[in-house]
Amino acid sequence: GENVEQHPSTLSVQEGDSAVIKCTYSDSASNYFPWYKQELGKRPQLIIDIRSNVGEKKDQRIAVTLNKTAKHFSLHITETQPEDSAVYFCAASSGGGADGLTFGKGTHLIIQP
Amino acid sequence: EAGVVQSPRYKIIEKKQPVAFWCNPISGHNTLYWYLQNLGQGPELLIRYENEEAVDDSQLPKDRFSAERLKGVDSTLKIQPAELGDSAVYLCASSVGMNTEAFFGQGTRLTVV
Repeated sequence: GENVEQHPSTLSVQEGDSAVIKCTYSDSASNYFPWYKQELGKRPQLIIDIRSNVGEKKDQRIAVTLNKTAKHFSLHITETQPEDSAVYFCAASSGGGADGLTFGKGTHLIIQP
Repeated sequence: EAGVVQSPRYKIIEKKQPVAFWCNPISGHNTLYWYLQNLGQGPELLIRYENEEAVDDSQLPKDRFSAERLKGVDSTLKIQPAELGDSAVYLCASSVGMNTEAFFGQGTRLTVV
């Protein structure tokens, strides 16, 4: 089945700096890669997603890149703000494959004032 | 739009007792997921439904866990008997279909004592 590895587990950056979180996946059939943000005690919420026919996608301060050959994708947050502090999860799906949506273990992003 | 609704929000039970969780997905969403989330970890898939059919239940401990999605709408997840290690947050999510945004409910925090 699909296996998603996420690094780092904890990331601390100064406010205003950029943050990068990286994920790798194992199933070459995976073609949908969402990123979720989860604040303490709350539900995971989608912040951006990318499909395998696209190499990069941006939404204001957030961007995601995908390298299908290497089977890795990354989340980039620029000009970080205190409200960006949360746990971020990457996920991968093959769209009807047996594994459904498989999540990484998460990255705790800490924005230092 | 109420979003994905789960109940109860919290449940404390003694070990060996049964427990049930209920999920009402967003109207029109064909895909429904049950995930288990331990503290500091990513969601782990228990079962995925496409309409009323369970298409992926390979991670569901079938000796004690069961689930149903009658008429392809609401779903219940049951544990009988509960064990101490079942303490976790149980998340329900729904989406229009595979490879589309999955919306999560608030989750049910289960504590087995």
